[in-house]
Amino acid sequence: IAGITQAPTSQILAAGRRMTLRCTQDMRHNAMYWYRQDLGLGLRLIHYSNTAGTTGKGEVPDGYSVSRANTDDFPLTLASAVPSQTSVYFCASSDSKGLATDTQYFGPGTRLTVL
Amino acid sequence: GQNIDQPTEMTATEGAIVQINCTYQTSGFNGLFWYQQHAGEAPTFLSYNVLDGLEEKGRFSSFLSRSKGYSYLLLKELQMKDSASYLCAVLDSNYQLIWGAGTKLIIKP
Repeated sequence: IAGITQAPTSQILAAGRRMTLRCTQDMRHNAMYWYRQDLGLGLRLIHYSNTAGTTGKGEVPDGYSVSRANTDDFPLTLASAVPSQTSVYFCASSDSKGLATDTQYFGPGTRLTVL
Repeated sequence: GQNIDQPTEMTATEGAIVQINCTYQTSGFNGLFWYQQHAGEAPTFLSYNVLDGLEEKGRFSSFLSRSKGYSYLLLKELQMKDSASYLCAVLDSNYQLIWGAGTKLIIKP
């Protein structure tokens, strides 16, 4: 079944620990995104990648890093987690060829709690 | 700065019609999206408008006025399963999506 998968579904993490959230898509979309969603706020873009081998910073990149070694995978790493990174993290992908094909398709999310 | 405004919460009755408004101020405009998000789930695509006017898709319609920086999502014949948050998002001049905080729609029997 085509789509986006994320792992883990949820995680409780001690502050200061390193954590990688995984995201894989099988739709051959060229663009991928990482968002965080906090209560009362809109989705905020952390990092994005327009194509394999390139990445860019979004609105809230500090404390996060990404890599895009191939088309399908886009992991998000928290080098040293802090409590303010407690959030729900969504990965998304799109064709990014313009107009309606920029529709983003979202993974199921990872609920991360940093204590 | 860039800004998307939509009401925080709305309540409507099963079988009725509800209109969810969205106003935006962004650097450039390459289209406006509406997404639906049920509690604890991922956002899912509902509609896309890039030209002024009304786009109808079954019970859901979306309207855009670019000159007014305004859109609305119209939901007809409301069903209990329509209880969800509705997210408005604008694709700016850099093809980045700017998201509103979402409108939580509560449907009452």
